[in-house]
Amino acid sequence: GAGVSQSPSNKVTEKGKDVELRCDPISGHTALYWYRQSLGQGLEFLIYFQGNSAPDKSGLPSDRFSAERTGGSVSTLTIQRTQQEDSAVYLCASSPNNYEQYFGPGTRLTVT
Amino acid sequence: AQSVTQLDSHVSVSEGTPVLLRCNYSSSYSPSLFWYVQHPNKGLQLLLKYTSAATLVKGINGFEAEFKKSETSFHLTKPSAHMSDAAEYFCVVSLIYNQGGKLIFGQGTELSVKP
Repeated sequence: GAGVSQSPSNKVTEKGKDVELRCDPISGHTALYWYRQSLGQGLEFLIYFQGNSAPDKSGLPSDRFSAERTGGSVSTLTIQRTQQEDSAVYLCASSPNNYEQYFGPGTRLTVT
Repeated sequence: AQSVTQLDSHVSVSEGTPVLLRCNYSSSYSPSLFWYVQHPNKGLQLLLKYTSAATLVKGINGFEAEFKKSETSFHLTKPSAHMSDAAEYFCVVSLIYNQGGKLIFGQGTELSVKP
C-alpha cells in the first residue's frame, strides 16, 4: 500500500520567508509525528498529533514553528520568517498504534 | 529520562565479514527499542523492534539485535555484510508510556562496506 508521502521533496527559500511543508500519512494511522534531521543536532522530535487530542508541541524550537492536522489526516508544518539554522531535512512519520512509526522520504529545506 | 547512546559514529567492515553496531540505552522502565536504517538520500526504514517477547530480535535483511538488560545494551549484528548494507543506522527508544510514543534517536552509526 501507499506509504507516508511528503511534499515538496526539496525547498529552497530566502531568509525571512515563510514555508509550508506537507505530510500525507498512511491511511488509517491515527498518530502523526514531525522530526527534524540536521547536521549539528541529529534527529529530533518536533510535534506529535494523536486523533483529535491537543498536539504535543514540546519539541518545536521556537514560536516561528507551527503545525496543524486537518481532519485527522494531512498535516502541514509551517515555519515563519525562516532563518538559516532552519535548514534541515524535515521528516514526517505516522503510526497505527503509537509504537511502530513509518517515515516519509522527507523535505530538504535550504534557507539562503 | 530515556536516552540511547551509539558507541561508534563510524564502522567499516569488509564484505562478507560480521557487522556489530553498538547501542546502550538508559531507561527508568522497560524500554521500547528499535533500529532504523537510512540509505543515502532515502527515508528511514524500520529494521527491527524489541517488544519484550524475546530478547533476540530478528529484523529484515539478516540483521538481529539482542536486548541485554544487565548490560543496558541493544547491539545490532549481521553475520555477513553486503555492499548494500552501507548506510546510516540509528538506535532509537520510544517514549511509549506517557509521551505518545515519540522517538528519541541516537546520533547514528555510519556503516561502510569495503569490497
